[in-house]
Amino acid sequence: AQTIHQWPVAEIKAVGSPLSLGCTIKGKSSPNLYWYWQATGGTLQQLFYSITVGQVESVVQLNLSASRPKDDQFILSTEKLLLSHSGFYLCAWSGGGTEVFFGKGTRLTVV
Amino acid sequence: GEKVEQHESTLSVREGDSAVINCTYTDTASSYFPWYKQEAGKSLHFVIDIRSNVDRKQSQRLIVLLDKKAKRFSLHITATQPEDSAIYFCAASMNSAGNKLTFGIGTRVLVRP
Repeated sequence: AQTIHQWPVAEIKAVGSPLSLGCTIKGKSSPNLYWYWQATGGTLQQLFYSITVGQVESVVQLNLSASRPKDDQFILSTEKLLLSHSGFYLCAWSGGGTEVFFGKGTRLTVV
Repeated sequence: GEKVEQHESTLSVREGDSAVINCTYTDTASSYFPWYKQEAGKSLHFVIDIRSNVDRKQSQRLIVLLDKKAKRFSLHITATQPEDSAIYFCAASMNSAGNKLTFGIGTRVLVRP
């Protein structure tokens, strides 16, 4: 069975500080990987997706970047956090079909 | 790009009654319509989906209807139970390589005893 693990579970960070969020998928080779962001009380926006190692497509510009250093790993990062980056970050995967499965998320509070 | 409108922001139903959530989409190329459930403080959990080659799908107490002409789809939760209380998101996708799901804003469903 496939599992998706996100880390950390929650972060409180200062404005202007760097950020790195991670996601690992086990049990599925060559998954499509996604980062979503949910503002507090809001809907979900797809930020990035990746079909293969080393290739990441940006969907929404939020002064964030993403990388896929390994087949099973997806990283979301920024050098300088903004207050508007606060929210719930969800990593997700699909097997090339249409069903998308979400991780448990990272709650980020920027102060 | 695709826009998904979720018409009910909150829904309060008595336990045992049905809850219906309606969504509309704009892009006729969309062909995949999943529904997700989010309990308080938690991630999204897939509940049911429908593809454009059918107009009805049922999984236990959940029924999804799709009207392609009207670009409308709906989730019917029948015989509601307290554990159905959550936020439900509809989404639409063209099943492109990026699997870009466009979500509605979510409907908070409260099942009253």
